[in-house]
Amino acid sequence: GENVEQHPSTLSVQEGDSAVIKCTYSDSASNYFPWYKQELGKGPQLIIDIRSNVGEKKDQRIAVTLNKTAKHFSLHITETQPEDSAVYFCAAGVQGGKLIFGQGTELSVKP
Amino acid sequence: KAGVTQTPRYLIKTRGQQVTLSCSPISGHRSVSWYQQTPGQGLQFLFEYFSETQRNKGNFPGRFSGRQFSNSRSEMNVSTLELGDSALYLCASSPLDRGSHEQYFGPGTRLTVT
Repeated sequence: GENVEQHPSTLSVQEGDSAVIKCTYSDSASNYFPWYKQELGKGPQLIIDIRSNVGEKKDQRIAVTLNKTAKHFSLHITETQPEDSAVYFCAAGVQGGKLIFGQGTELSVKP
Repeated sequence: KAGVTQTPRYLIKTRGQQVTLSCSPISGHRSVSWYQQTPGQGLQFLFEYFSETQRNKGNFPGRFSGRQFSNSRSEMNVSTLELGDSALYLCASSPLDRGSHEQYFGPGTRLTVT
């Protein structure tokens, strides 16, 4: 069935270090891979996304890579700041408006 | 542009009751999806509406239903509430009508069933 595995579940880094979160999806029909950041008491915020015809995408300190053959995609945050602390979710778009989400990674950036 | 709005933000209901949650998408967006978020199960897809028609449905019992109006506003209804229905219910709107595409979430409705 449709499934997205996300690792690690928690991640603690020092300010200025890089953070990497990895996801694996099961449905080979998935063609859209967004990443969301959720802060306490708020809804998920779309921070970056990638489509299946692209291998890498970058937006300032955030980058996402996709390996379709291995069904892996990853989020890379460089030069982390305390305000990057939040829960991050990966997702796979299977069809239309349906997204299958990973279990989330709680990122803590220590000053 | 105003973001996705959801009302009410918080709700307390008793087991057996029913509840209706409302979502107003971003202006111009015609697709609305609903998700349930719980600590144990994470974010789970409920259903998606486009042009007043349900296009996709997740694996939830028939007690969960929804609809979309001609102005793209959407409502979801949960009948015969159970304790396990306590969750954050999130609505997301999307600008495109085909393929998988970006979704923008509202702040959610926190439902507590006692």
